[in-house]
Parts: sequence; structure tokens; C-alpha cells
Amino acid sequence: ETGVTQSPTHLIKTRGQQVTLRCSSQSGHNTVSWYQQALGQGPQFIFQYYREEENGRGNFPPRFSGLQFPNYSSELNVNALELDDSALYLCASSFAGGRGQETQYFGPGTRLLVL
Amino acid sequence: AQTVTQSQPEMSVQEAETVTLSCTYDTSESDYYLFWYKQPPSRQMILVIRQEAYKQQNATENRFSVNFQKAAKSFSLKISDSQLGDAAMYFCAYRRGPTSGTYKYIFGTGTRLKVLA
Repeated sequence: ETGVTQSPTHLIKTRGQQVTLRCSSQSGHNTVSWYQQALGQGPQFIFQYYREEENGRGNFPPRFSGLQFPNYSSELNVNALELDDSALYLCASSFAGGRGQETQYFGPGTRLLVL
Repeated sequence: AQTVTQSQPEMSVQEAETVTLSCTYDTSESDYYLFWYKQPPSRQMILVIRQEAYKQQNATENRFSVNFQKAAKSFSLKISDSQLGDAAMYFCAYRRGPTSGTYKYIFGTGTRLKVLA
């Protein structure tokens, strides 16, 4: 069974640029969630995708957007990067199918640095 | 809104000893899930243990067990026979029940566990 993978592992961008982060779900999972983890903090929910549609969003501006593909992999796009966007971005996959399927499995994350 | 609080920024334990990490949460829901995740320096969040609120029995996974007090909204993690590999950040997380729609997790701020040889 393949776990959750993310790419790239590290990324450096400058203010105003755009970035795309990628995530491949664990085999058999149909839901992907994205989290932002600032240094020394717990992860904060950005949004979730279920069957290629956004299924809930946290307190993040519209310049944070995403996609989920038919194979359940996902992208997180951030436009007009700001210094405060520097963080670890975590992707988590799960299977939405009733009780017992609620556990999210996390990828290793992408470390984004905005200069 | 639901919140998760971890009041211990850092804890230390001697190898082979037992340590308890605290977590409290606030919710008006009756059906929810609670989790403990471990994040080592490699950054990957690893599931340690999960608890379903409707189950009164405390969850146990090998050396890890929880003390779930639903009325007090408390969910502590006990690590027995601590090992050097247990050193990591530990996050408590909450998720609403299966009928709530979005399956987002709400995390606490974490507790850094140091294991002393």
C-alpha cells in the first residue's frame, strides 16, 4: 500500500509569485485535505476535496485554491505569495465512507519559504 | 466553534519511565473523534491513537493509551516505557462526527516531548 506523497519537499519563492504544491493520496482514499503549519504551531485547515469538489474551507483567502483529479491526487495553488505564507504545507488523505473511515493519513509535507 | 488546547509546551521523561500529555477540547457536539499524532523532526505526522467519543472504553495501542473523560472534555495520552524514538512533537486533534460534512481536523498547539537517556 502506497502512502501519501508530496512534492516538492522544499521550495523557495519571492513575494508576489505563485506556487503549486502536489499531493498523491494513499491508495483507496477519496478525500484530500490541506493544512498549513507555521513554525511552532499546530496545522491549520485550508480546505478539503472530496470527489473532485471542494468540501469545506478554513479561514484562508481566495488566493489559496486547489484541485482534485480523478485519481484523487490534488494540487494546492497559492497566488500573490506573502511572507506569512512561509510554512510547512501538509496534505492528508482519507476515505469518506462512514464510521471507521475518518482517520487522515499525512504526507511528509512541503516546506515553503517566501523571501 | 471547536477548540483544542494543549497546555504543556514541553515535557521531559526518563527513558523507560511513563509520561502523560494533556489535552482539553471544547465542543457542543456529542459525536466526534479525537486523535493523537506524533511529528518527529522528519515532519511527517504519524497517527498514534484515536478515540471515538461514543465509545466509553479508553483506546490503547501497545505502549500508548488515553484517558478520555467526555464530561470533562479531556483527552490525555499516556506513554509507558518511554523510548528514545518517542521524542517528537505530539499534537492532539479533534474531528466532528460522520454526519457533520467536512472532515477537517482541529489541532492543538502541540507538546514537545524529550526523552532522556
